[in-house]
Amino acid sequence: AQSVTQPDIHITVSEGASLELRCNYSYGATPYLFWYVQSPGQGLQLLLKYFSGDTLVQGIKGFEAEFKRSQSSFNLRKPSVHWSDAAEYFCALGNSWGKLQFGAGTQVVVTP
Amino acid sequence: NAGVTQTPKFQVLKTGQSMTLQCAQDMNHNSMYWYRQDPGMGLRLIYYSASEGTTDKGEVPNGYNVSRLNKREFSLRLESAAPSQTSVYFCASMGTSHTGELFFGEGSRLTVL
Repeated sequence: AQSVTQPDIHITVSEGASLELRCNYSYGATPYLFWYVQSPGQGLQLLLKYFSGDTLVQGIKGFEAEFKRSQSSFNLRKPSVHWSDAAEYFCALGNSWGKLQFGAGTQVVVTP
Repeated sequence: NAGVTQTPKFQVLKTGQSMTLQCAQDMNHNSMYWYRQDPGMGLRLIYYSASEGTTDKGEVPNGYNVSRLNKREFSLRLESAAPSQTSVYFCASMGTSHTGELFFGEGSRLTVL
């Protein structure tokens, strides 16, 4: 059975500091992996996606993620966070039929 | 661009009442989805429609019905609402390439008393 886990429910980071959000998955084949961001009161927006190829993926808003098959991980990173990065972040696992399974989410708080 | 539009944005129901959440997309997408979002549980798929005229159950379909009225519209119906259906509901659509990019509506917050 496939699954996606985000171990951190809540992360607090200072503005200007680096950010890393963890995502682990379980899937029998090559996974399609995604990171989405949800600002308060809004729907989700795609940050980046991995299908195949280069394991370091660049996304919007200065985010990147690295796919590590040996660790079954797809962690999201940003070198320097801005106050506008405060949001909830969701990792998702997809299949070729277009169905996505979401992790429970990580709430990011940015302090001055 | 409107994208994905959901109505209503807020609704309060009493246990046993029925209601329909409406969703429309103007991106000519084939696939449409209904998710519910609950604290600590992420988004869970209720139903989806891979194309006009087809619907399939997702992870949590019990207590819900859907209708893919045409390519643009995908509605979610609660026939007899229960407090456990208090949630935020999101409609989403995806293009034919199945790239995984879901386009979401702004959500519908439903409270069942």
